[in-house]
This record gives sequence, structure tokens and C-alpha cells, in this order.
Amino acid sequence: KAGVTQTPRYLIKTRGQQVTLSCSPISGHRSVSWYQQTPGQGLQFLFEYFSETQRNKGNFPGRFSGRQFSNSRSEMNVSTLELGDSALYLCASRRWRGGYNEQFFGPGTRLTVL
Amino acid sequence: ELKVEQNPLFLSMQEGKNYTIYCNYSTTSDRLYWYRQDPGKSLESLFVLLSNGAVKQEGRLMASLDTKARLSTLHITAAVHDLSATYFCAVDMGLMDSNYQLIWGAGTKLIIKP
Repeated sequence: KAGVTQTPRYLIKTRGQQVTLSCSPISGHRSVSWYQQTPGQGLQFLFEYFSETQRNKGNFPGRFSGRQFSNSRSEMNVSTLELGDSALYLCASRRWRGGYNEQFFGPGTRLTVL
Repeated sequence: ELKVEQNPLFLSMQEGKNYTIYCNYSTTSDRLYWYRQDPGKSLESLFVLLSNGAVKQEGRLMASLDTKARLSTLHITAAVHDLSATYFCAVDMGLMDSNYQLIWGAGTKLIIKP
């Protein structure tokens, strides 16, 4: 069974540009969550999509947005990149196991903003 | 405010020693997860604890949950270098499939010296 895939794995951008990251969840999983991880702030929740609807959103500016498609694949977009956006962006795929959530993480996209 | 606190945040120990990482949380939940992250890598699920008194063991790692004390512990027995990683606990506040809210601890960076 294929795991969570994220593309691209590495990305270098300059300030002011925008970027789109992609996440394909495990087959059958309807929920995708996005996280930002930096050495200074740790692991921070960005947003969660469930059946194409954003259900939860973390405390991030509107420059961070996302969407989910009917096949559960999700994209995350960051506009007007800032140096502080350099981070490891993790996507997690989730399914309800009738009592708890089973969540698996993708390998991440390492974004560097110059 | 929902909080998940891990301590210690940093732990350096010798091989062969035992130690415990603590995860305290501020509200009622009976679902707690432990994850491991190697440097530059994604998060790997270690344990899912689903009820008061739950205990799970895998190799030299053992996790337990006390929902009344709102405390989970991750105990390392006879540590080996391969266990060096950052360990995260996360509390699941969601009640069902469509309501998902995972609150993360800050992580404990564990370094095991030969």
C-alpha cells in the first residue's frame, strides 16, 4: 500500500515569489492536514481538509492557503514568500478507525526562501 | 487553552541507561499518540494509546497513559544510539471522524551517546 507522497521534496524560492506544494494521501483516506516545522517554532498546524472542505485552520496569515480535490489530493499555496517561510512542510493523511485517528505523515517538502 | 507539555525538551544520556519522557496535557482526552522524528526526516508513528491505563511496548520503548492524571510517559530501557531522535506526543481532541483536532507537544530531542 503506497504511503503519503509529497512533491516536490525540495524547493528553493526567492522572497516575494509564490509556491505550491502537493500531497497525495493514502488511498481511502479523506483527510489531509498540513504542518509547518521550523527549528524555532517547532511543529505548527496549518490546516486540515476533509472531503474537499477546510475544517480547521491554524494561526497563519492569509498568504497560506490550500485546497483539496475530489480524489483527496491536496495542495498548499504560499504567496509572497518571506524568509521566515523557510521550513519543512509536512502533510499527513488520516482515517478514522472507529475510535481513534490513524495518521501517517509524508516525507515532507523542504522549502528554502532566499 | 489546550496545552500539551513535554519534558524534558532535551535529553542527553549514555547508552545502557533508562529514562522517561513525560507528556502532560491540560484537558480531558483518552487518545494520545507518540511519534518519532529523525533529523531532517518526517514523523513516524510509534504508539497509539486509547484508554486509561493503556500500555504499549515496542523493543526498548514503552508508552503508558494515565487519563486521570492527564499524563503519558515514554520510557526508554537500556538506551542504544539508534534511539536518538526527537519524540513528540500529541493529544487527539476530536470526537469522531469529522471532528479532528490534534494538539502537539514541543518535542523531546533525545541524544544517546555511546
